Amino acid sequence: NIVLTQSPATLSVTPGESVSLSCRASQSISTSIHWYQQKSNESPRLLIKYASQSISGIPSRFSGSGSGTDFTLSINRVESEDFSIYYCQQSYSSLYTFGAGTKLELK
Amino acid sequence: QVQLKESGPGLVQPSQTLSLTCTVSGFSLTSYNVHWVRQPPGKGLEWMGRMRYNGDTSYNSALKSRLSISRDTSKNQVFLKMNSLQTDDTGTYYCTRDRGPGITNLDYWGQGVMVTVSS
Repeated sequence: NIVLTQSPATLSVTPGESVSLSCRASQSISTSIHWYQQKSNESPRLLIKYASQSISGIPSRFSGSGSGTDFTLSINRVESEDFSIYYCQQSYSSLYTFGAGTKLELK
Repeated sequence: QVQLKESGPGLVQPSQTLSLTCTVSGFSLTSYNVHWVRQPPGKGLEWMGRMRYNGDTSYNSALKSRLSISRDTSKNQVFLKMNSLQTDDTGTYYCTRDRGPGITNLDYWGQGVMVTVSS
């Protein structure tokens, strides 16, 4: 199985700061990585597909980059509604896996 | 519009079998893959398995011996059955979908159903 390691586990920031969340794969997965946001007591929501492709309806402050084994989700100027947990997910293998998540919290 | 909705019992006894249904609308099960993903309380997401558009299935290696996914295309439903339940199977179970090769992001999710394994 492909293991995804997300870091940091928790990121404490103030609104207006810009942040980068990391996802590292245990083997090269090209750009077959997707990012999801999960707010408390809600279902996950797709933010970015295939490492860097935007999703309709998602604010432009969210962006993704990377290929191979190292991927980054960036949030430009965090807003209060962004405090939640972020997961990466790989689809390079037909057996999908998720990272453990990064919790973005208010400092 | 696209919708997925999970249903099933909220409480299952240890060692028993969990049966869940995902009822979909707004798309065809013969064009999209449907996946099951679960989440223990306070923990992360775990991919469980999928029903492909063509009727094939794939399972998480860790769950394969206990898990079965099937469907009824006439009723727009996908089913999950998992046996020998233990307390660490407690959590929220989601169904979600992707289009298949080349479009493998999970774009729509159900609201989830909470399952508690307890006697």
